[in-house]
Amino acid sequence: DGGITQSPKYLFRKEGQNVTLSCEQNLNHDAMYWYRQDPGQGLRLIYYSQIVNDFQKGDIAEGYSVSREKKESFPLTVTSAQKNPTAFYLCASSIEVSSNTEAFFGQGTRLTVV
Amino acid sequence: QKEVEQDPGPLSVPEGAIVSLNCTYSNSAFQYFMWYRQYSRKGPELLMYTYSSGNKEDGRFTAQVDKSSKYISLFIRDSQPSDSATYLCAMNDYKLSFGAGTTVTVRA
Repeated sequence: DGGITQSPKYLFRKEGQNVTLSCEQNLNHDAMYWYRQDPGQGLRLIYYSQIVNDFQKGDIAEGYSVSREKKESFPLTVTSAQKNPTAFYLCASSIEVSSNTEAFFGQGTRLTVV
Repeated sequence: QKEVEQDPGPLSVPEGAIVSLNCTYSNSAFQYFMWYRQYSRKGPELLMYTYSSGNKEDGRFTAQVDKSSKYISLFIRDSQPSDSATYLCAMNDYKLSFGAGTTVTVRA
């Protein structure tokens, strides 16, 4: 089945730790995205990547880092510099970054700071 | 002012009713409009997309775009309890901008 796989589904982080969220897609899409979802605030863009070895900051990139070494993979690291990391994180992909494409989402990772 | 405004609801309707959802936007560069459905603790799934003013129908769902008014709508006819979810509008101008989502409950 083609799709986007995020892992783990639930993740717990201690204060001061870095954690990495996995996102893999087998849709052969060039573009990949990371969003954060908080109650009542909709989805906010963290980072996006148009092509391998290239990525751009979104609206709320501070405290996060990404890499895009392979077309199918776009991991997100939540660093200790992110002051309020508890949220639902969503990875998405689209054929390309353009004004007329739709994005498809994974099932999300819920991160909780303990 | 947010680029995309969406009433968060919640909206509660009886089974069989028509559900009406809408979003307004301020960026006239938006050309591509989408509606996503999100069940609790799941990722959003694409319901419909359109890139022109007018109506687009898919089964019980109708998406409507009015670019002159910067207003989009989603109608769900003959609503079912399985339609209970959060509905997100999204618009594309090289990056997706989302509304906050409207939570809908369809009562059996």
